[in-house]
Amino acid sequence: DSGVTQTPKHLITATGQRVTLRCSPRSGDLSVYWYQQSLDQGLQFLIQYYNGEERAKGNILERFSAQQFPDLHSELNLSSLELGDSALYFCASSVGVAGFTDTQYFGPGTRLTVL
Amino acid sequence: AQTVTQSQPEMSVQEAETVTLSCTYDTSESDYYLFWYKQPPSRQMILVIRQEAYKQQNATENRFSVNFQKAAKSFSLKISDSQLGDAAMYFCAYRSAEKLVFGQGTRLTINP
Repeated sequence: DSGVTQTPKHLITATGQRVTLRCSPRSGDLSVYWYQQSLDQGLQFLIQYYNGEERAKGNILERFSAQQFPDLHSELNLSSLELGDSALYFCASSVGVAGFTDTQYFGPGTRLTVL
Repeated sequence: AQTVTQSQPEMSVQEAETVTLSCTYDTSESDYYLFWYKQPPSRQMILVIRQEAYKQQNATENRFSVNFQKAAKSFSLKISDSQLGDAAMYFCAYRSAEKLVFGQGTRLTINP
């Protein structure tokens, strides 16, 4: 158990809908990262937050947004869902933004299925 | 942009034997970290081992060790005394700024 929690574990929804994925980082970690794992794209970095502020953006679609709250939990919002958004969404956390020494620990993931 | 390549989509090994998974990467940076993550059927991403680029000594964690060749930009994972529980997808990853760049993964099968 990495100490990172994600809810829900599974989510099934329809095209055009909006969903929210939730992540609680390990105790003491200030950084939260979101990744998408799909069959065709592999593991892709989406976005990172550090202590409530956005720090880095990756291949995140405009239909997707995220935020980190004062209690450091984070939410990833996916809207106008398409079939291609079906994937496993991981949250990871680390102590801080100080790059190279910062090991990321992953949550169990949320499996999103868009029908 | 940094890229990570795992040239072996699938590998198999007999239980108790040793197997090596390959990984190469491309970067212009001189200081960075490399990681191997394991993803078993449960889909959880589990950190296996990490290597600091400035350290010449290869990292070791119990039965897992790496062969880090900085000049060749190679970072292979050796699993000794393979166990059934080692069966998983293994991902090599490069730490670039705040994000991890992952390879495409190697599926490891352990034959009893």
